[in-house]
Amino acid sequence: GQQLNQSPQSMFIQEGEDVSMNCTSSSIFNTWLWYKQDPGEGPVLLIALYKAGELTSNGRLTAQFGITRKDSFLNISASIPSDVGIYFCAGQGSYNTDKLIFGTGTRLQVFP
Amino acid sequence: GAVVSQHPSRVICKSGTSVKIECRSLDFQATTMFWYRQFPKKSLMLMATSNEGSKATYEQGVEKDKFLINHASLTLSTLTVTSAHPEDSSFYICSAPSLVGFSDTQYFGPGTRLTVL
Repeated sequence: GQQLNQSPQSMFIQEGEDVSMNCTSSSIFNTWLWYKQDPGEGPVLLIALYKAGELTSNGRLTAQFGITRKDSFLNISASIPSDVGIYFCAGQGSYNTDKLIFGTGTRLQVFP
Repeated sequence: GAVVSQHPSRVICKSGTSVKIECRSLDFQATTMFWYRQFPKKSLMLMATSNEGSKATYEQGVEKDKFLINHASLTLSTLTVTSAHPEDSSFYICSAPSLVGFSDTQYFGPGTRLTVL
């Protein structure tokens, strides 16, 4: 099945550092989403982006919807131990009933 | 709001048996639900779209006779893995679209880990 390219694949950082990850696609999407998944659990929505160029924040998280509609990035500022997990981007059409295409994931490890 | 549950959370079965996994939207109705499969350290791969009142739509390469989907009501979709084999062992996750605040998108269940012996 189709997947989006997400980088980096994994990150090992120290508590307090900022983190940046991005997602690229060969196809255009009208919605970009970022999820976090903890081991053995389902993904949890972090941020949803609906317009090209949109920059949205949710606490220490900031995400942007690329102008070309083919990419998105997620930044986490001042990382804390509970940020540990796997982060997935997902592209979607215009409607919330459209299927999601997931990125390959970024595994984040935060050391105290 | 926008809570999606799955049952069971974990199941172990013998090769050749069938296993049913339930996905429920607890506080909203969903005419569409999605079923994903996730192998260890991999991303989520969409298997099929479950449609209330009509047949499911399967992604390319997914055997519809092996993975039976029934969207019995506006709050329940079931995935039955028929004649399960060890290679079917995986983490199965469902999602349903809903509007919560300003986020009009899909919310995921906690997943079901299937182990076929």
